[in-house]
Amino acid sequence: QAALTQPPSVSGAIGQRVTISCTGSSSNIGAGYDVHWYQQLPGTAPKLLISDNSNRPSGVPDRFSGSKSGTSASLAITGLQADDEADYHCQSYDSSLTGVVFGGGTKLTVL
Amino acid sequence: QVHLQESGPGLVKPSETLPLTCAVSGFSISNGYFWGWIRQPPGKGLEWIASIYHSGTIYYNPSLKSRVTLAVDTSKNHVSLKLSSVTAADTAVYYCARPSGAVLLPFEYWGQGVLVTVSS
Repeated sequence: QAALTQPPSVSGAIGQRVTISCTGSSSNIGAGYDVHWYQQLPGTAPKLLISDNSNRPSGVPDRFSGSKSGTSASLAITGLQADDEADYHCQSYDSSLTGVVFGGGTKLTVL
Repeated sequence: QVHLQESGPGLVKPSETLPLTCAVSGFSISNGYFWGWIRQPPGKGLEWIASIYHSGTIYYNPSLKSRVTLAVDTSKNHVSLKLSSVTAADTAVYYCARPSGAVLLPFEYWGQGVLVTVSS
């Protein structure tokens, strides 16, 4: 069982806004550790989408945004496009495990 | 541009040791940074295995620590992973990755991954 909890799937129509939650605990997100998000297109390696809770690496459209509060974080995608259809993974550090933790991943379906 | 390329046997028998190598180009490992290994069983999420700093400091996933051996070879500019006593549950795509800065996370650079199947 993943240390970070994500919904298995979300969906939205083209042009709409969706959010993906990532719930942790007092030993990871709640302890102040940063949350990072990755996008994984089918058959490819993950790609860094959001770093340090809300920073977009160069080249990532501003349709993607991240936030963090308490023991949870969220990824928001506005203006959904067909090629946003992918798996999205959150990641953080856990002090109890003394290591890196991932969420279980969320499959985004664009209707 | 940093480029990572994993290589491995593809098929490993149960109870054997899985050896993987991550060849690094565009960056000298001796210059620092952590190097991580992550795996993804078919149809499942990502699981962090371990990360090694060029000087030898290692962080492990506690659930895998007893079976994992990591090493850095600066002469070959590669990072290696050995996973012992494998079972079918170790069947996965294995990725190596490097953070964007001299910290543990996040992983900015990823290899394409190598599929390893554990089967007799």
